[in-house]
Amino acid sequence: GAGVSQSPSNKVTEKGKDVELRCDPISGHTALYWYRQSLGQGLEFLIYFQGNSAPDKSGLPSDRFSAERTGGSVSTLTIQRTQQEDSAVYLCAGGGRPGVQETQYFGPGTRLLVL
Amino acid sequence: KNQVEQSPQSLIILEGKNCTLQCNYTVSPFSNLRWYKQDTGRGPVSLTIMTFSENTKSNGRYTATLDADTKQSSLHITASQLSDSASYICVVSGADSWGKLQFGAGTQVVVTP
Repeated sequence: GAGVSQSPSNKVTEKGKDVELRCDPISGHTALYWYRQSLGQGLEFLIYFQGNSAPDKSGLPSDRFSAERTGGSVSTLTIQRTQQEDSAVYLCAGGGRPGVQETQYFGPGTRLLVL
Repeated sequence: KNQVEQSPQSLIILEGKNCTLQCNYTVSPFSNLRWYKQDTGRGPVSLTIMTFSENTKSNGRYTATLDADTKQSSLHITASQLSDSASYICVVSGADSWGKLQFGAGTQVVVTP
C-alpha cells in the first residue's frame, strides 16, 4: 500500500472488554512501533518490533497490553480487560532498520474510547 | 520527568509571519533529534532529522537548528501559511535505546488570516 494503515479507525468499547488494534506497515519496513497519545498529552512509546521480535517492550503500561507481529508485516496490539484510562489514540509507525537517520512513517491512528 | 520539553505550549501567528519553536532535552547519550508536524486527527509527519554533528537542516519553509552542547533545538517557520496550523513535536532518540523515542508534548501553532 501507499502508506501505513490502521484499523479500526475508531473503537468504542465497554470497560472490561478486550480490544485488538491492527497495523499494516509499508511493505519492506522492517521496524514497527506502537505509540499512544492520550488527550492533550504527548506521544508515549509502547513497543517496537524489529522483524517479528520485540527488542523493546518497556513502554507497555501493564500486563493487560500485548502485541505481536507476524510475517514481518502486520502487527496487532491487544488490550485485555480495558479500563477507562486506556482511552487514547493508538498510533503505529513503520520504518527501516533502526538507525541514526531512520524516518518513521505514521499511520492515522485508532481512536479508542472505553466507556 | 519528561526528558523532552517544548515551548511555548501554543502560539497564534498571523499568516505570512515567522515563528520559532523551542525544544530542550536531557536525553543522554544523544543519537538524533526529529521534528514532526501533526495535523489534527492525523499521524505525525517527519519534517527533519538531525544528528549531533548537524547544526541546521531545512525542509522548505521549515528550518531546524540543533546545539548538542546545550541540548537545545529550535524549529523556525518562515512566511507562515494557514496550512502550517498543526502541532509540532520534538522527538529525541538516545544512542543506547534504538527504536525508543522520547517525545515532547508538542507546540500547538495556529496561523490566522
